[in-house]
Amino acid sequence: EAQVTQNPRYLITVTGKKLTVTCSQNMNHEYMSWYRQDPGLGLRQIYYSMNVEVTDKGDVPEGYKVSRKEKRNFPLILESPSPNQTSLYFCASSTRQNEKLFFGSGTQLSVL
Amino acid sequence: QQQVKQSPQSLIVQKGGISIINCAYENTAFDYFPWYQQFPGKGPALLIAIRPDVSEKKEGRFTISFNKSAKQFSLHIMDSQPGDSATYFCAASLYGQNFVFGPGTRLSVLP
Repeated sequence: EAQVTQNPRYLITVTGKKLTVTCSQNMNHEYMSWYRQDPGLGLRQIYYSMNVEVTDKGDVPEGYKVSRKEKRNFPLILESPSPNQTSLYFCASSTRQNEKLFFGSGTQLSVL
Repeated sequence: QQQVKQSPQSLIVQKGGISIINCAYENTAFDYFPWYQQFPGKGPALLIAIRPDVSEKKEGRFTISFNKSAKQFSLHIMDSQPGDSATYFCAASLYGQNFVFGPGTRLSVLP
């Protein structure tokens, strides 16, 4: 089954404790991206990647890191999480620009 | 200039009625305008999309109307059904890389 898999589904952590949210797709997509969803603000892009070893900032990259060492994986790293990073996070992928985005099921992160 | 505005914030429609959600953008470089549908606990899923060289696109009960000169586009859901109750996001893509989403519209269709 074609899908984007995010883990974990739920995560509660404390301020400053490094964490990684994993994202994997099995569709051989070149393009991958991360979004955060907050009430009243919609989805805001954090980082995106056009292909392996190619990443770029989205609209809200501060406090986040990403890497794209393999085509299928695009982890999101929070080196020192803060409470304002409490949000619902989505990973997405597509074959190329301006094509249908396939979203994962989301990761609900709470930073205490 | 990157912002996409969306209205209304919430919408209640009777079964069989027409649901209309409007979006507006500023950046004329946007070249792809999708609508995504999101059910609670799920990720958004593409519903329908349009490119600026077309004024209207219809897929079943869902229609996008696009007004390039006004920099506006809208989603029309005909014969709305309770199963259409979800949050809808309009979006615009800049150079095929950076997707900008509207804040979302929560649609409730009453039986």
